[in-house]
Amino acid sequence: DVKVTQSSRYLVKRTGEKVFLECVQDMDHENMFWYRQDPGLGLRLIYFSYDVKMKEKGDIPEGYSVSREKKERFSLILESASTNQTSMYLCASRRAGLGGFFGPGTRLTVL
Amino acid sequence: DQQVKQNSPSLSVQEGRISILNCDYTNSMFDYFLWYKKYPAEGPTFLISISSIKDKNEDGRFTVFLNKSAKHLSLHIVPSQPGDSAVYFCAASYSGGGADGLTFGKGTHLIIQP
Repeated sequence: DVKVTQSSRYLVKRTGEKVFLECVQDMDHENMFWYRQDPGLGLRLIYFSYDVKMKEKGDIPEGYSVSREKKERFSLILESASTNQTSMYLCASRRAGLGGFFGPGTRLTVL
Repeated sequence: DQQVKQNSPSLSVQEGRISILNCDYTNSMFDYFLWYKKYPAEGPTFLISISSIKDKNEDGRFTVFLNKSAKHLSLHIVPSQPGDSAVYFCAASYSGGGADGLTFGKGTHLIIQP
């Protein structure tokens, strides 16, 4: 049973805190992604990675960074959390040309 | 500029009838299209996809149609069942190198009424 797991389902942080969201996949996929989902805006791509130590900006990278030290793990970092980063964060992995698999999501609230 | 558009935020269909969800795209470079289904508080799950070399792909109750000249695709669900009530996202990608990240529409909330 293939899996994409995310470190937390729910997270509450304060403004200015550094936040780490972890994602792990067990399918040996090269490509991993971080999206955020907001009401009325659908899923928006923050960052993606097509190989270890490789990363590329998506549509809304401002305020975020990522790390991919191992193939199976892709981390999203909020350097200084702000209230407008309150959202549902979704990690995905896929092999090029195939349907992707999503994790269950992390609902982050920044107070 | 929204490259993948789902113009209907919600759709209500009676159980047993056909559900048709529509999606339009503007980027002619897109060559692979996918539909995802999402329940509240869960990640999206992949439903069905279609490559631009085809105009139809079928999987059980789900059929996706692609009209490249109109830059339009649709998802048909026949017959609709209560468990189909969810938000459906259309997504597109192009194999231009890199990780061919997916561009998503804003989603359509499908409600199946008994």
